[in-house]
Amino acid sequence: KQEVTQIPAALSVPEGENLVLNCSFTDSAIYNLQWFRQDPGKGLTSLLLIQSSQREQTSGRLNASLDKSSGRSTLYIAASQPGDSATYLCAVLGGSYIPTFGRGTSLIVHP
Amino acid sequence: SQTIHQWPATLVQPVGSPLSLECTVEGTSNPNLYWYRQAAGRGLQLLFYSVGIGQISSEVPQNLSASRPQDRQFILSSKKLLLSDSGFYLCAWRTPGGNEKLFFGSGTQLSVL
Repeated sequence: KQEVTQIPAALSVPEGENLVLNCSFTDSAIYNLQWFRQDPGKGLTSLLLIQSSQREQTSGRLNASLDKSSGRSTLYIAASQPGDSATYLCAVLGGSYIPTFGRGTSLIVHP
Repeated sequence: SQTIHQWPATLVQPVGSPLSLECTVEGTSNPNLYWYRQAAGRGLQLLFYSVGIGQISSEVPQNLSASRPQDRQFILSSKKLLLSDSGFYLCAWRTPGGNEKLFFGSGTQLSVL
């Protein structure tokens, strides 16, 4: 059974810092890995999707990498802003076609 | 373009009352559909998923049921709500295949009192 772990669980940083959020998974037989953002009381917004054959994806200040063999993905946020404050979740899609989620990293960026 | 609608946004129900949450997807056909629950301080728990009309798989034993009466409609129900059913319920969909994104609705905050 796939297990997904996200570290750290919570993070509080001053504005402008570069951040690294970690996601690890136990079964490397995956189709893709997706990063989401969730604001309080809202649904999940997709940030980046990395296919199993890819090593990284970039969107603006966000860069996500994937190392399937070691079961790890990182989400890099450059020059963090207060508007980046949210919970970030990763989800792994395996052969069962059921996405498995981590418990998220709660990020606060203070001015 | 594809969109997903989920309603209601907020619901307060007494213990023992029935429940019906609805989710519809537009702009796609034969989507895989999912119901998740997110309880306070906990991660996303998959409740049900469906790969086609009338095809429902349950991930955990619970007081809830799901139905898919139409291709793009997914309904979460309960005959009698429990206090433990409180939480944030999220519907999601993806196009079948291994390489497609998962998209979420805006969620329903359910409080059972």
